[in-house]
Amino acid sequence: GQQVMQIPQYQHVQEGEDFTTYCNSSTTLSNIQWYKQRPGGHPVFLIQLVKSGEVKKQKRLTFQFGEAKKNSSLHITATQTTDVGTYFCAVYSGTYKYIFGTGTRLKVLA
Amino acid sequence: DVKVTQSSRYLVKRTGEKVFLECVQDMDHENMFWYRQDPGLGLRLIYFSYDVKMKEKGDIPEGYSVSREKKERFSLILESASTNQTSMYLCASSPDVAVGSYTFGSGTRLTVV
Repeated sequence: GQQVMQIPQYQHVQEGEDFTTYCNSSTTLSNIQWYKQRPGGHPVFLIQLVKSGEVKKQKRLTFQFGEAKKNSSLHITATQTTDVGTYFCAVYSGTYKYIFGTGTRLKVLA
Repeated sequence: DVKVTQSSRYLVKRTGEKVFLECVQDMDHENMFWYRQDPGLGLRLIYFSYDVKMKEKGDIPEGYSVSREKKERFSLILESASTNQTSMYLCASSPDVAVGSYTFGSGTRLTVV
């Protein structure tokens, strides 16, 4: 079945450093979504990418969809303590549901 | 503001008890989902429903059942709770099969003792 690999599993960064998480699929994707879960909270939708090579920005967050639509990345520029949390990608499985990646837990050291 | 509401934030139940976790959404969404979240294992899908009275097994349905009698309500049932069902349970809903994003509830942390 479809598999979604998300790397790294954990990342500790110093405040002000950049951070990137990657999501890789074994199959071509129709779209990809990204979610953020703060510690003690629930996942919250950030963005959806649909087109090959698409790049979208939300303030310091840059989301990219690969040209082959098999991978995606989320890059945070100059991390802040408010960026702490777990970032999940989610890909449509074709059967009414999305498959979530295992997540990347980000810790930001002040 | 759209909402997915889970009835309890924390629950403690005894082994063997029948447990009901309730989830209600006010967005008229077609699709509803139950996940459990455990450290290091991410979000694992238990059951989902794409219409009233319709249900589909997810990746880990064993020991669970669901009920969707009304569009806005999706219940997760643990027929006979066991300690390995201690977890965070998250309910979610989405409006469209392919492109709709998920809105999650705040979660129910269930402890089975």
